[in-house]
Amino acid sequence: QVHFVQSGAAVKKPGASVRLSCEASGYTFTNYKIQWVRQAPGQRLEWMGWISAGNGDTKYSQRFQGRVTITRDTSATTAYMELSSLTSEDTAVYYCARTYGDHGNFDYWGQGTLVTVSS
Amino acid sequence: SYELTQPPSVSVSPGQTASISCSGDKLGDRFVCWYQLKPGQSPVMVIYQDKQRPSGIPERFSGSNSGNTATLTISGTQAMDEADYYCQAWASNTDVVFGGGTKLTVL
Repeated sequence: QVHFVQSGAAVKKPGASVRLSCEASGYTFTNYKIQWVRQAPGQRLEWMGWISAGNGDTKYSQRFQGRVTITRDTSATTAYMELSSLTSEDTAVYYCARTYGDHGNFDYWGQGTLVTVSS
Repeated sequence: SYELTQPPSVSVSPGQTASISCSGDKLGDRFVCWYQLKPGQSPVMVIYQDKQRPSGIPERFSGSNSGNTATLTISGTQAMDEADYYCQAWASNTDVVFGGGTKLTVL
């Protein structure tokens, strides 16, 4: 069965960076995109970007362009999302999910990682 | 940039039908998915490709999409359906967009 395990909660200071991981299992990792979505407290789901696990192509939301980097390790079936120059507004739960093809559905999601940015 | 608009909240009595709308320019030309999000849990896809129901999702969940509006309908709403619901579409070949979310209250 498809399963994602995300890294544990993180507490960061303003200006720092955070790197989150998302380990996939139960399917052919390279056949899908891995998406990253976050939800700040009381806010909407917000799409951050994706990586094609097969060829490594990436696309980032304009809102995070320049601050976010998504990578993957196919041998470890793991995707990573690094967000830099953190502010308190980056305090959120960060989810990974998979989609298939050009306009796929977010059919399986990770359990989420809480990132708290506080001085 | 492409935007999806949802009502902030919808209320329904148990056993009645709840309808949650999602509007966007020519939304009917795109596929829409719907996700259910409960506190402390990960999102769950309840409808994909406008009206398809994933395995394990109750038949009371249905969807439609035409013109500028997609609709998630929950027939015979149960207390367990109380949650936030988000619509989602691909704004382009590469970019994803989510609606603002609708809080469904079953009272």
